Amino acid sequence: EAQVTQNPRYLITVTGKKLTVTCSQNMNHEYMSWYRQDPGLGLRQIYYSMNVEVTDKGDVPEGYKVSRKEKRNFPLILESPSPNQTSLYFCASSHYNEQFFGPGTRLTVL
Amino acid sequence: TQLLEQSPQFLSIQEGENLTVYCNSSSVFSSLQWYRQEPGEGPVLLVTVVTGGEVKKLKRLTFQFGDARKDSSLHITAAQPGDTGLYLCAGDPGNQFYFGTGTSLTVIP
Repeated sequence: EAQVTQNPRYLITVTGKKLTVTCSQNMNHEYMSWYRQDPGLGLRQIYYSMNVEVTDKGDVPEGYKVSRKEKRNFPLILESPSPNQTSLYFCASSHYNEQFFGPGTRLTVL
Repeated sequence: TQLLEQSPQFLSIQEGENLTVYCNSSSVFSSLQWYRQEPGEGPVLLVTVVTGGEVKKLKRLTFQFGDARKDSSLHITAAQPGDTGLYLCAGDPGNQFYFGTGTSLTVIP
């Protein structure tokens, strides 16, 4: 089954404790993205990657890092999480303009 | 500043009614996508419109792309409770994707 998987689905952590959210797709898509979704602000792109070893900042990249060492994986790294990074995060992979989203990761930073 | 403005933000209607959701921008897009998102899940693609003036139908849903490729609309005929959800438009004027803030639709049985 074609899908995008994310882990963990839920995470509660404390300020400053490094964390990684994993994302994997099995559709051989070149383009992958990370988004955060906040009430009233909608989905905003954090980082995107057009291919292996190519990553670019989206609209809200501050406080986040990504890497793309393999085509299928695109982890999101929060080196020192802060409470304003509490949000719902989605990973997506794209075929041309059509995006396929993971199930989401709800992150709470205390 | 939102690149894509959606209206209305919230919509609550009775089953069987018709409705239209709008997605507007001052920018030109090569294509626009519409997604539906249910609580606790990721958005799911409904349709992509590519050509200015294009109309696409998906059962009771009709999508239109503006002639100038700056706006789009989603019309639902005879809404059903199963249509309840958050409707999002999205576009990529370059390599980045931008989403509208969404229209939260509730269809009351």
